[in-house]
Amino acid sequence: GAGVSQTPSNKVTEKGKYVELRCDPISGHTALYWYRQSLGQGPEFLIYFQGTGAADDSGLPNDRFFAVRPEGSVSTLKIQRTERGDSAVYLCASSLTLGGKPNTQYFGPGTRLTVL
Amino acid sequence: AQSVTQPDIHITVSEGASLELRCNYSYGATPYLFWYVQSPGQGLQLLLKYFSGDTLVQGIKGFEAEFKRSQSSFNLRKPSVHWSDAAEYFCAVQISNFGNEKLTFGTGTRLTIIP
Repeated sequence: GAGVSQTPSNKVTEKGKYVELRCDPISGHTALYWYRQSLGQGPEFLIYFQGTGAADDSGLPNDRFFAVRPEGSVSTLKIQRTERGDSAVYLCASSLTLGGKPNTQYFGPGTRLTVL
Repeated sequence: AQSVTQPDIHITVSEGASLELRCNYSYGATPYLFWYVQSPGQGLQLLLKYFSGDTLVQGIKGFEAEFKRSQSSFNLRKPSVHWSDAAEYFCAVQISNFGNEKLTFGTGTRLTIIP
């Protein structure tokens, strides 16, 4: 079946601009995660959705970052007033919700954001 | 908060040789443990995972990992590497409360294979 998809695959923008990154999870997966991976680093958690609501947004670095998942499927990560330090690969993952049992997160290919 | 340490930034092995990638975690209880592989320009692919039970887990592509509670380690092994195994490998942990929490990743180990 189809995996997690992310669009665009690459995004180049200028400092100060607004960007939106989209994630389409695996069908039926109720949990959705955003991570950010800077060059030479492991992915770092940003935010986690259970259904439509953000269950944990403790990883968002500041109020320029915001994410939504209005219908419990597709999610959009929004970055306002982009800075050069926002340049990274943004990864999305999804998983099933198994009633408190451990699950596996499946990752998309990522969106490479470059802020000039 | 939990943390993950991958002490080897870069490892080079000959094709056909055995491989062990180290991973240590810091957490008060036993977390859920994962190894992911990332090829250049690709997303993360799950190699294997440990939730409970047998401490030696088998994964895809001939990889295995052993959970050692006393050492807080979850090292990845492969008896004979192939050139296609060249990639970045990430160890990750998840706290074991509700099963849906975030993953905390190590900084990764880059594996180079020489002929």
